Amino acid sequence: KAGVTQTPRYLIKTRGQQVTLSCSPISGHRSVSWYQQTPGQGLQFLFEYFSETQRNKGNFPGRFSGRQFSNSRSEMNVSTLELGDSALYLCASSFRPTRDRGNEQFFGPGTRLTVL
Amino acid sequence: AQTVTQSQPEMSVQEAETVTLSCTYDTSESDYYLFWYKQPPSRQMILVIRQEAYKQQNATENRFSVNFQKAAKSFSLKISDSQLGDAAMYFCAYRSSQFSGTYKYIFGTGTRLKVLA
Repeated sequence: KAGVTQTPRYLIKTRGQQVTLSCSPISGHRSVSWYQQTPGQGLQFLFEYFSETQRNKGNFPGRFSGRQFSNSRSEMNVSTLELGDSALYLCASSFRPTRDRGNEQFFGPGTRLTVL
Repeated sequence: AQTVTQSQPEMSVQEAETVTLSCTYDTSESDYYLFWYKQPPSRQMILVIRQEAYKQQNATENRFSVNFQKAAKSFSLKISDSQLGDAAMYFCAYRSSQFSGTYKYIFGTGTRLKVLA
């Protein structure tokens, strides 16, 4: 079974631009979560999508948005980029977690975003 | 709100020795999951071990084991017979067991483990 894939792997943008990152979950997984990873802050939860609906949201400004498509693929958009948005953006997928099934998240390789 | 704290930014261990990574958390919930994730340099994050809070028995996966102290809200990871391939950033994570869809993962800031040959 193919793992979680993220595209592109690397991006360089300038301040004020916008960017769209893509995540394809493991086949059969319906939940996709996004995280921002920086050396100082570690992993911070951005949002989670399940069945095309945002189910949970972290403490990020409205410049960060996302969506999920009917095939469970998800995109994350960041508008009006700032220098502080430079980070590794990780996507993780899971089957709808239950106690019996466990609730393991499977992570993608990440997209490294650099804002100049 | 739940929090996860990893107080050791960096640890070193000699190859074949044992090392323990610390993690403490704060929550008012009684049922939850705890995880240790490993992120090797420039590689994908993978799950090392998982502990369900309602289980008193400490989880074990080969050379990896945890010491789960629910009352103390402590969840340490012990790596036995350390290998060079264990060098990575290790993240402790918490997840509520609520099924309402409002759950989320909360990660610590990570501990970088160096394995010395």
